[in-house]
Order: sequence, then structure tokens, then C-alpha cells
Amino acid sequence: QVQVVQSGAEVKKPGASVKISCKASGYTFSSYGISWVRQAPGQGLEWMGWIYVYNGNTNYAQKLQGRVTMTTDTATSTAYMELRNLRSDDTAVYYCARKRRGVIPSDYWGQGTLVTVSS
Amino acid sequence: DIQLTQSPSFLSASVGDRVTITCRASQGISSFLAWYQQKPGKAPKLLISDASTLQSGVPSRFSGSGSGAEFTLTISSLQPEDFAIYYCQQLNTYPLTFGGGTKVDVK
Repeated sequence: QVQVVQSGAEVKKPGASVKISCKASGYTFSSYGISWVRQAPGQGLEWMGWIYVYNGNTNYAQKLQGRVTMTTDTATSTAYMELRNLRSDDTAVYYCARKRRGVIPSDYWGQGTLVTVSS
Repeated sequence: DIQLTQSPSFLSASVGDRVTITCRASQGISSFLAWYQQKPGKAPKLLISDASTLQSGVPSRFSGSGSGAEFTLTISSLQPEDFAIYYCQQLNTYPLTFGGGTKVDVK
């Protein structure tokens, strides 16, 4: 069965970087992409970007351009999201989710990773 | 960016009620809209894709409709497990924006 499992919670200081992993199983990893979505405490969902595993093409939210990098490792079926120069308003639960190319929504989601940015 | 406006933001309802949530897009998005359900502390769950296609395993009391810029999610008879927050997402154009959410609470 399809599973998406994320790495554990992180606590970071402002200005630091965080790299979250997202390990997929139960499907052909390179046939899909991975979306990243975050949710600040008590807030709604914010789309961060998407990476197509097959060729590594990415599409990032404009507000995160320059601070975010999404990558994949096909040998381990793992996706990564690195966010640099963290600020307090980056405190959120970060989700990865499987998503096909095109107009297909994310269907299998990870459990979420809480990132807390605090001095 | 395409803005999605959900209404209402909060909805109080009772078990057995018919519930309708609206999602309006700032421009036409054809039928490229999805609905998700999120419960506290959990990841979103995909309910409906392509505006009206029910995902496997989702109860038939959920239905979606609409195209262009106006969409609805209907729960025909609210069940206890349906109290949650519902989000729409457009997949027509990057960035793939979400609506602000509708919290369905117990009346």
C-alpha cells in the first residue's frame, strides 16, 4: 500500500536552515511528483511547491523563491525540502504528499513535520 | 495568483443536516478543483477531484459540483465523523492555491 512517511519534529533558531525528508513506498516513485504544503498554527493550508521526480523539475511558491529547495533521491524513494534563513513565521507543520503531474491533486499525504523557529 | 474564497468560514450544524460549502475562484479554473477534509492533528484527506469525482472509499453522502469559477461541496446527511475543516484547492494554474477553509462544527 502507498505510504508517505516524514522525518520528525525540528526546532531551529532564526536564520538557520531545516531539511525535511519524505520517504515514499508502495508505488513507482519516479512516476509521480511530491507536493509540499505547510500549515501555520491555527491557520489554513499554504502550497509551497512541487517537484516532478522523473526529471527533477520544480515549481515553487513565489514568496519562498530563493529560500526553498526541493529535491529527490530515487535510490531511496525519498524527497527532501530544505528551507533556509528561517523566520518565526516559518513555524508550521510541513506536509509532503504524492501528486501526479498535471491537474491531479495530492492523494497520499505524510503525517506532517512540525518545525518550530524560536530564539 | 488565483484566489479561492470559501464560504462560510464557519458552519454550525447537527447530525443529519444537509451542508453546503462554496468555493469561488478569482478566475475560471475549468473543473480543476479538489476538496479536502482535515481533522485536528491530521493531514488533509482528499475527498473529491476534478470538481465532482469522489475518491475511492469516500462516502457517497459527499458530492461536489461546479465549473468555471464557482464550486460547491455538499454533505447530504452530516455524520459525527464529518465535523472537520474543509478546504478547496485549484489545480488549474501554479501556484496551486487553497481556499481559506470552512470549519464545520457541532451546533
